[in-house]
Amino acid sequence: EVQLVESGGGLVQPGGSLRLSCAASGFTVSSNYMSWVRQAPGKGLEWVSVIYSGGSTYYADSVKGRFTISRDNSKNTLYLQMNSLRAEDTAVYYCARVDTAMVAGYWGQGTLVTVSS
Amino acid sequence: SYVLTQPPSVSVAPGQTARITCGGNNIGSKSVHWYQQKPGQAPVLVVYDDSDRPSGIPERFSGSNSGNTATLTISRVEAGDEADYYCQVWDSSSDHPGGVFGGGTKLTVL
Repeated sequence: EVQLVESGGGLVQPGGSLRLSCAASGFTVSSNYMSWVRQAPGKGLEWVSVIYSGGSTYYADSVKGRFTISRDNSKNTLYLQMNSLRAEDTAVYYCARVDTAMVAGYWGQGTLVTVSS
Repeated sequence: SYVLTQPPSVSVAPGQTARITCGGNNIGSKSVHWYQQKPGQAPVLVVYDDSDRPSGIPERFSGSNSGNTATLTISRVEAGDEADYYCQVWDSSSDHPGGVFGGGTKLTVL
């Protein structure tokens, strides 16, 4: 059974950093495309980043240069390193497995990041 | 960047048919996916590749895609279908590809 479990969210001050983790089970992270998607309170879904199985990474313009997606194959875990955080980064962050035709077939339960002083 | 446009809300009586649209420039040339999200929960995929259903999704959920509009159709609507629905495509047209979501449509069952 495919499972994704995010962790690492919390309260951080503007300008601070946070690293989110997404532990996967039931499949191999490195063999799949994986994404982070976020949802600000009361707002819609926003795609944040993707890492391809070959290692290429891409980011939304809103986070480019501040966020870094990565994975640890030995731990079968996806990460999102978030630096220079802003109030507008406040959101629930979901990790998702991206399947054929770039569809997010499986989602984690999400982890809340709050950027506030 | 590619833009997807959804109506903010759709209302339908139980047992009737709900249609939620997703507009985009030549969206018919892309694969469109639809997600259902209930309050406090993660999104759930209900239709992928325009019209396919994941296992476990009722046949009442169907999709179509042509021209500049994709449509999610929910037949014989039930109270449990009340949720937010999002369409999504992959924009590979630029040098930094990425996912694109519509703004979401709140389905209200009257």
